[in-house]
Amino acid sequence: AQSVTQLDSQVPVFEEAPVELRCNYSSSVSVYLFWYVQYPNQGLQLLLKYLSGSTLVKGINGFEAEFNKSQTSFHLRKPSVHISDTAEYFCAVSVPDSGGYNKLIFGAGTRLAVHP
Amino acid sequence: EAQVTQNPRYLITVTGKKLTVTCSQNMNHEYMSWYRQDPGLGLRQIYYSMNVEVTDKGDVPEGYKVSRKEKRNFPLILESPSPNQTSLYFCASSFRSRRGGREQFFGPGTRLTVL
Repeated sequence: AQSVTQLDSQVPVFEEAPVELRCNYSSSVSVYLFWYVQYPNQGLQLLLKYLSGSTLVKGINGFEAEFNKSQTSFHLRKPSVHISDTAEYFCAVSVPDSGGYNKLIFGAGTRLAVHP
Repeated sequence: EAQVTQNPRYLITVTGKKLTVTCSQNMNHEYMSWYRQDPGLGLRQIYYSMNVEVTDKGDVPEGYKVSRKEKRNFPLILESPSPNQTSLYFCASSFRSRRGGREQFFGPGTRLTVL
């Protein structure tokens, strides 16, 4: 069965510092990987996704993630965070099947708190 | 503007009083889904629909019903709500893809409290 583990439930960091949010997945088939962000009192929006090709994926707001198949990881990074990056971040895996739909399986989320 | 809308955004109710949370999308998406979000558990899928009149259970379907009579709407029905259904609910939609990997677009969420 597919699953997603986000290794940190909370990550505090100071403004302008780098940050890495960790995500590991388990799957017996090829996967598509996503990072979503949830700002306070809002729905989820897509930060970036990995479908195929280059293992380094760039997303919105200066975030990037690296797909590592051997370590089954998809860690999210940003070299310099802003106060406005304070939010909850969800890693998700989408596994296609013969039915033609994309079910998303989410991790438990990582709350990023950026302090001045 | 392309969007997924949900109503109401906030709801407080009592045990056993039937309620419906509406979801509508204007992107002509075939696929729609309901999730609940609980602290420490992330988002879990309740029900999904691959097209009009086609629905199926997700991971936590107990106590919920859905219908898909029109492509744009996918209401979530709680026939007899209980306190363990207190949660934050999200509706999402996307195009179908045989390869998977399609981005899902999320509504703003409905915070439900069952007393």
